[in-house]
Amino acid sequence: DGGITQSPKYLFRKEGQNVTLSCEQNLNHDAMYWYRQDPGQGLRLIYYSQIVNDFQKGDIAEGYSVSREKKESFPLTVTSAQKNPTAFYLCASSPGQALMNTEAFFGQGTRLTVV
Amino acid sequence: AQKITQTQPGMFVQEKEAVTLDCTYDTSDPSYGLFWYKQPSSGEMIFLIYQGSYDQQNATEGRYSLNFQKARKSANLVISASQLGDSAMYFCAMRDQSTGTASKLTFGTGTRLQVTL
Repeated sequence: DGGITQSPKYLFRKEGQNVTLSCEQNLNHDAMYWYRQDPGQGLRLIYYSQIVNDFQKGDIAEGYSVSREKKESFPLTVTSAQKNPTAFYLCASSPGQALMNTEAFFGQGTRLTVV
Repeated sequence: AQKITQTQPGMFVQEKEAVTLDCTYDTSDPSYGLFWYKQPSSGEMIFLIYQGSYDQQNATEGRYSLNFQKARKSANLVISASQLGDSAMYFCAMRDQSTGTASKLTFGTGTRLQVTL
């Protein structure tokens, strides 16, 4: 089955530790995204990538880092510099690099709790 | 400036009734795309419907339709014959060319819809 896999579903980390969230897709999509969702809130864009080895900051990139070494993978690292990392993180992908009418396909999300 | 505005944090509708969820957007690009997603309590995002800025007709997908008023920059989602399973968060989203590419997809803050008996 084609889709986007985020792992793990739940993640607990101690304050001050870096943590990496995994996102893998087998849809052969060029573009990939990371969003953050706080309780009862909308999705805010952290980073996005249009093509391998290239990515752009979204609206709330501070305290996060990404890499795009393979088309299928777009891991997100939440660093200790992120002041309030507890949130629900959603990864998405979409086909093509600049297609206006293409929807994004989402993973199941990772709920990160920092204690 | 916020590009997608959803002014209704929560809405209630009775089963079998129709409901309209509001979305306004802000862009200076003539070419853009508007999307609606549903997020049940499980957290996954489900694509519902798409409207392109040059589309002449309002988009429809089953019980979902989009009331697209370009001059007012609004793209309201209409759900007809509401069902209990429609209870969820609903998000409006947009692609435009403001960043030089259509890759960036921006979401609104969402509307929580509760369908009652």
